[in-house]
Amino acid sequence: GESVGLHLPTLSVQEGDNSIINCAYSNSASDYFIWYKQESGKGPQFIIDIRSNMDKRQGQRVTVLLNKTVKHLSLQIAATQPGDSAVYFCAETSPGGAGSYQLTFGKGTKLSVIP
Amino acid sequence: DAGVTQSPTHLIKTRGQQVTLRCSPKSGHDTVSWYQQALGQGPQFIFQYYEEEERQRGNFPDRFSGHQFPNYSSELNVNALLLGDSALYLCASSLGPGREQFFGPGTRLTVL
Repeated sequence: GESVGLHLPTLSVQEGDNSIINCAYSNSASDYFIWYKQESGKGPQFIIDIRSNMDKRQGQRVTVLLNKTVKHLSLQIAATQPGDSAVYFCAETSPGGAGSYQLTFGKGTKLSVIP
Repeated sequence: DAGVTQSPTHLIKTRGQQVTLRCSPKSGHDTVSWYQQALGQGPQFIFQYYEEEERQRGNFPDRFSGHQFPNYSSELNVNALLLGDSALYLCASSLGPGREQFFGPGTRLTVL
């Protein structure tokens, strides 16, 4: 079936280093992807998104790369800080009726930043 | 400006009981989506409400039902609770069905 998954369930990085979180998706019809950050006891928080007509998008300290050929997404966090410690999810969107869409989330990667 | 709020924060029920969870969307938002997040998993889409109607539904049984009120707030009802219904239930609101979703903190449901 269609699925969104992550290669690494956990990632530990030294403060100040760059982090890369990977995600594979299998629905070739997906045209919109979002990265979320979820801190303990909170709901997912939007980080950055990308549409399928792009292969790279940059935000503040974050960059998302999309490789449609191999159906792969990555989230790069520059100069990782302790506040970046959280679980990161990629999500793909499936279009529904009346312009709606549902989010399909991957399992998540836990990022731990070592001070 | 208040974000998405959910109540209660935590809830404990026993198998076979029924539960109602509540969500107030972010100010100005008219669309509410519900997700179930089991421990260690990503959120799974349950359904989405817009204009007081269920617009899209994920792969959940009919025991899961919902409602949206004229003020855009929403309820999620689960009947005949099973142990496997224990999870964090997340509500997300958006300004329209296809727009960016903002998540609430969730309601932690434990079924004993």
